[in-house]
Amino acid sequence: DARVTQTPRHKVTEMGQEVTMRCQPILGHNTVFWYRQTMMQGLELLAYFRNRAPLDDSGMPKDRFSAEMPDATLATLKIQPSEPRDSAVYFCASGKPTGTGGTDTQYFGPGTRLTVL
Amino acid sequence: GDSVTQMEGPVTLSEEAFLTINCTYTATGYPSLFWYVQYPGEGLQLLLKATKADDKGSNKGFEATYRKETTSFHLEKGSVQVSDSAVYFCASGYQGGKLIFGQGTELSVKP
Repeated sequence: DARVTQTPRHKVTEMGQEVTMRCQPILGHNTVFWYRQTMMQGLELLAYFRNRAPLDDSGMPKDRFSAEMPDATLATLKIQPSEPRDSAVYFCASGKPTGTGGTDTQYFGPGTRLTVL
Repeated sequence: GDSVTQMEGPVTLSEEAFLTINCTYTATGYPSLFWYVQYPGEGLQLLLKATKADDKGSNKGFEATYRKETTSFHLEKGSVQVSDSAVYFCASGYQGGKLIFGQGTELSVKP
């Protein structure tokens, strides 16, 4: 049963530290999404990639957040420097075109729960 | 731009009650529509989807019909179980693109 994996599952850090979250998409999926979930804002799309190229990162604070796909099996989301307001659950999702005109189903990982003190 | 609006929660029901969670959308084109479910401590899972008007998605006793005339995709289940307690998200999207999610509706089913 193929799954999206995310590491770490939990991260507690202090304000000002760098945080790196990693995601391994399902093999063969060529689209990767990063979301942030908070009680106040709900589920927000931060960025997404197709074939490792960034398509949209308009939801991401550019001054401190960066997202990359070094290769097809790894996506990273970095926050530098981190701030308490970045505390949230960060989800990665992957998908692939259906080829029949339908929309990708997105498969979500279990998330990284980030706490910035 | 496109948007998705869900009824506010939490929704609390007794076991075996009928469930409806309302979802309406605005769209510039003809998106596919989805319901995702999130159990405590987990990521979102696809529950069902519909790709065009009048399509009905169904899974695990849940159903939703893509209604273009009312721009709605309401989720229904005839008899809920305690194990259905979760947060439900309605979403819209176009091929290969990002999904637009509603704010989520928390469902709590009591024995």
